[in-house]
Amino acid sequence: DQQVKQNSPSLSVQEGRISILNCDYTNSMFDYFLWYKKYPAEGPTFLISISSIKDKNEDGRFTVFLNKSAKHLSLHIVPSQPGDSAVYFCAASPTDKLIFGTGTRLQVFP
Amino acid sequence: NAGVTQTPKFRILKIGQSMTLQCTQDMNHNYMYWYRQDPGMGLKLIYYSVGAGITDKGEVPNGYNVSRSTTEDFPLRLELAAPSQTSVYFCASSLVGGNTEAFFGQGTRLTVV
Repeated sequence: DQQVKQNSPSLSVQEGRISILNCDYTNSMFDYFLWYKKYPAEGPTFLISISSIKDKNEDGRFTVFLNKSAKHLSLHIVPSQPGDSAVYFCAASPTDKLIFGTGTRLQVFP
Repeated sequence: NAGVTQTPKFRILKIGQSMTLQCTQDMNHNYMYWYRQDPGMGLKLIYYSVGAGITDKGEVPNGYNVSRSTTEDFPLRLELAAPSQTSVYFCASSLVGGNTEAFFGQGTRLTVV
């Protein structure tokens, strides 16, 4: 039973354009959401997070939007850069644990 | 700045063998986690700990054991290795749980043949 879902396994975007990565969750008890970025042969690294009491959080080129009624969040990257090419994981927290989605591989091409 | 250190980086095990994956962190974090990553399957939580002496099961605990005798160390034990345990294993730590940034180790690639 996948509680956190990323339905797009891959996304290809041109450099300079916007990348939008989506994530859906099923458990309404999740109160915190995070995005992690992973390069090959490395561990995931934290990117940005959002509390369930907010609907938007912005950090430079990265913005996360949360729609609690739809149990949906999205990560916007603008403008996209070649260095953003990586696998992005959405994660949700019911306080003590971190539950991850299956990931979306983003490729930013020139 | 070591952060989270995992050893070994690679290991090949025969079916039925046992081994311990080591994980240590130097950030004085209370929470520690073990995940496995299978191709196309994301990260699955195996076990986690909220502090020394306290551990709990995650999504896929079968075939694994953990202990947390100190704040720094959180080893993962495989008692009878099976091919289904072939995966990349990540250890992580965070200060106060899932609503704070978790720091991950580099991973251990385990193959069971």
